[in-house]
Amino acid sequence: DVQVVESGGDLVRPGGSLRLSCTDSEFSLTNYNVNWVRQAPGKGLEWVAYISLTGAVIYYADSVKGRFTISRDTVKKSISLQMNSLRVDDTALYYCTRDLDGGWHFGYWGQGTLVDVSS
Amino acid sequence: QSALTQPPSASGTPGQRVTISCSGTRSNIGNNYVYWFQQFPGTAPKLLIYRNSQRPSGVPDRFSGSKSGTSASLSISGLRTEDEAVYYCATWDDSMSARFGGGTKLTVL
Repeated sequence: DVQVVESGGDLVRPGGSLRLSCTDSEFSLTNYNVNWVRQAPGKGLEWVAYISLTGAVIYYADSVKGRFTISRDTVKKSISLQMNSLRVDDTALYYCTRDLDGGWHFGYWGQGTLVDVSS
Repeated sequence: QSALTQPPSASGTPGQRVTISCSGTRSNIGNNYVYWFQQFPGTAPKLLIYRNSQRPSGVPDRFSGSKSGTSASLSISGLRTEDEAVYYCATWDDSMSARFGGGTKLTVL
């Protein structure tokens, strides 16, 4: 089965920056659309960002627009989420999700990486 | 407040059929496909249903999805104790943002 792996989560001060990374066990993320979804402690799921398989189409949630940047690293075959101007309410477990074959979103999920924004 | 409305809780006894609803608008559920996810405590969500009613490989056919107008539903037949989890619906909206429901905690009595 496909394994998605996120990394880069950490404790960071408000206003700080962090870069999350996502890969999969098949090193095939370049062939799929990818979404980031986050979950604050004890809360529900919130979509964060989307990047198409070519990288040409990108969407962001209003809550992160202008602060977060999703991108592809074609050499490393990974997806990055650059998070700037972090706020306390960005604290969450961040999941990277890959499409199913056929372009259906949210098919495979990683175990998440924890971002804790606290002073 | 989530763009998609789900009941916060649902319950059933083993063997029963339970249905969880997800209500939206024309710009989200009305015009787009619906997804359903299952999440156990401390684990990542798992895709149960995509394209309103399709099951990924490995998902039992006890789980079924449907959509009508601006609402969708997830049904679980032959309820089992291991189905106790939180269930989320999701869809895209016409402004190209993905929306999740607030989640429904299913208790198997």
